[in-house]
Order: sequence, then C-alpha cells, then structure tokens
Amino acid sequence: GENVEQHPSTLSVQEGDSAVIKCTYSDSASNYFPWYKQELGKGPQLIIDIRSNVGEKKDQRIAVTLNKTAKHFSLHITETQPEDSAVYFCAARGLKTSYDKVIFGPGTSLSVIP
Amino acid sequence: DGGITQSPKYLFRKEGQNVTLSCEQNLNHDAMYWYRQDPGQGLRLIYYSQIVNDFQKGDIAEGYSVSREKKESFPLTVTSAQKNPTAFYLCASSRDRNYEQYFGPGTRLTVT
Repeated sequence: GENVEQHPSTLSVQEGDSAVIKCTYSDSASNYFPWYKQELGKGPQLIIDIRSNVGEKKDQRIAVTLNKTAKHFSLHITETQPEDSAVYFCAARGLKTSYDKVIFGPGTSLSVIP
Repeated sequence: DGGITQSPKYLFRKEGQNVTLSCEQNLNHDAMYWYRQDPGQGLRLIYYSQIVNDFQKGDIAEGYSVSREKKESFPLTVTSAQKNPTAFYLCASSRDRNYEQYFGPGTRLTVT
C-alpha cells in the first residue's frame, strides 16, 4: 500500500544552525505534500505545503523542496530557534476514487539546543 | 475566532464503556476527519466525512463509530469493541477533499 518514510526520527541542532528532514513517498500519483509541526500535547499545525507542479517553496526561515522523479521531498529550517523544537510530520496526498487520502510519515522530533 | 474545537482535552474511562469525543468547527468546511495518534507514530485515519450525512471508514475504523448530522459537528464514539482505545485522538477539517487539513487540539483518552 501507500507509504511515507521520514528521516531522521530524531534530530538535535544548535540554535542558529539549519535542520533538514527528508521524506520519501511510494504513490507516484501523489500531488500534494504538506508539512505539520506538532508541539507537545497539541494538534499538528500546517506550516508549509507544496504541490506537484512546483519544485521549491519558501516561507521566511522554512523551505520545502520536491523531487517528483525520485519521489523525495524535504523540509529545510534555517537559523533555528528554541521555539522550533517540536515533532514535524510530512505527508503525501494520493489519488483515490472517492477520497484523496493523506498518508503521514512517522514524524521527526527536532530539538534546538540554545 | 474561527477554528476547530475538541472536548474534553483529557478523558478517562473504564474498560467496557463507550465514550464519545466531540469535534466542532466553525470554518464552514465540508470535509472532516478523525485520526488516532500513538506514541512515536504518525497519524492513522479512523473515519472521514466529505459532506453532511455521509461518512466513510478509514484505515482503522474497527471499534469506532461516527455521525455527521450537522456540517459543524463530527463526533467520534469509541466503543467497547475497540481493543486498544488509549490514544491521542485528533479531529481535522478541510474546505473539501482538495484542500489542506487543519487540526484541532486533540483529546487524550485513557481507558483502564
């Protein structure tokens, strides 16, 4: 079945450094790739997304890149801050007959050390 | 102030009891979803609804039931048939199937 893999599962960086989280998906028909940030005890918050007709998207310190050929997409956070510490989930939306199913990766726990 | 609300934040039940989790949205979204999250895992879809009075099973629907009588509300009942009900439950909504999903704050259910 459809699958989204995510690496690494945990990531520690020094404040001010960059963080990169990588995901791969199996459904070549996937056309939408959101990223969510989840703080402890809260619901996931959409932070950035990218559609299959775009290769890169930036929003201030956050960027996402997509390689459709390799079925890879990545989240890049620059100039990390302690408040960036959270669990990050990637997801891919495939195409089904009745519902465009969103498959989530297992998550990456990011710790930004002051 | 638009958003998705879930209540209660924490819920405790004895084994064998049914329990209903509330999800309300005032975003005028057509689609609503229920996910289950277990420690260290991604989100797994329980049920989804694309329109009022219609809903479909997700990947792990066994032991759960839902209703969608109003556009704003999508309650989830965890029945006694659910073998491992203790988890963090998340409700989400989207304008429709083609748009991004927004999540509520979640309900942590503990069954002992």
